[in-house]
Amino acid sequence: AQRVTQPEKLLSVFKGAPVELKCNYSYSGSPELFWYVQYSRQRLQLLLRHISRESIKGFTADLNKGETSFHLKKPFAQEEDSAMYYCALTSAGSARQLTFGSGTQLTVLP
Amino acid sequence: KAGVTQTPRYLIKTRGQQVTLSCSPISGHRSVSWYQQTPGQGLQFLFEYFSETQRNKGNFPGRFSGRQFSNSRSEMNVSTLELGDSALYLCASSLEGHVTDTQYFGPGTRLTVL
Repeated sequence: AQRVTQPEKLLSVFKGAPVELKCNYSYSGSPELFWYVQYSRQRLQLLLRHISRESIKGFTADLNKGETSFHLKKPFAQEEDSAMYYCALTSAGSARQLTFGSGTQLTVLP
Repeated sequence: KAGVTQTPRYLIKTRGQQVTLSCSPISGHRSVSWYQQTPGQGLQFLFEYFSETQRNKGNFPGRFSGRQFSNSRSEMNVSTLELGDSALYLCASSLEGHVTDTQYFGPGTRLTVL
């Protein structure tokens, strides 16, 4: 069975500090991994996906197959980064069925 | 482009009743997925429809069903409601459901079962 684990429910950092949101997964096969974000009173939206190797809003995520991790990182956190972040995976070839982690609430303090 | 819309936004029902939720995808999107979000279980996949056919189904009882119309609008139905069905129900649309397609989420329907 596939599973996504986000060990931190809450994470607080100061503005300008680096931030890392952890995501570990278990999946037998080649997963595709995503990070979704939900800002206060907004919809859940895609932040970035592994397949695109992109950097969005200064965030990057590296897939480590050996450690089965897909941690989200940003070198300098901003107050507007405060949000709920969800890591998700799906099987390669389809994004139709996402398995989500439980989410990490990030608060960036002034 | 208008985003994904869901109606109604809030719903209160009693145990044993049934409920129908509606989702209108972004114009041109043919894949619609449904998710249940609860504090205890988080976000869980219910099912996905494409061209009026259910392609994927999550691990939910048969009381949960859905359908998709020719204009890609989708409905989900929950029969014989239980207290544990209280949740936020989200739908998401994408062009065709490929891994390179972005899934766009709606605002959700908040269902409360009394």
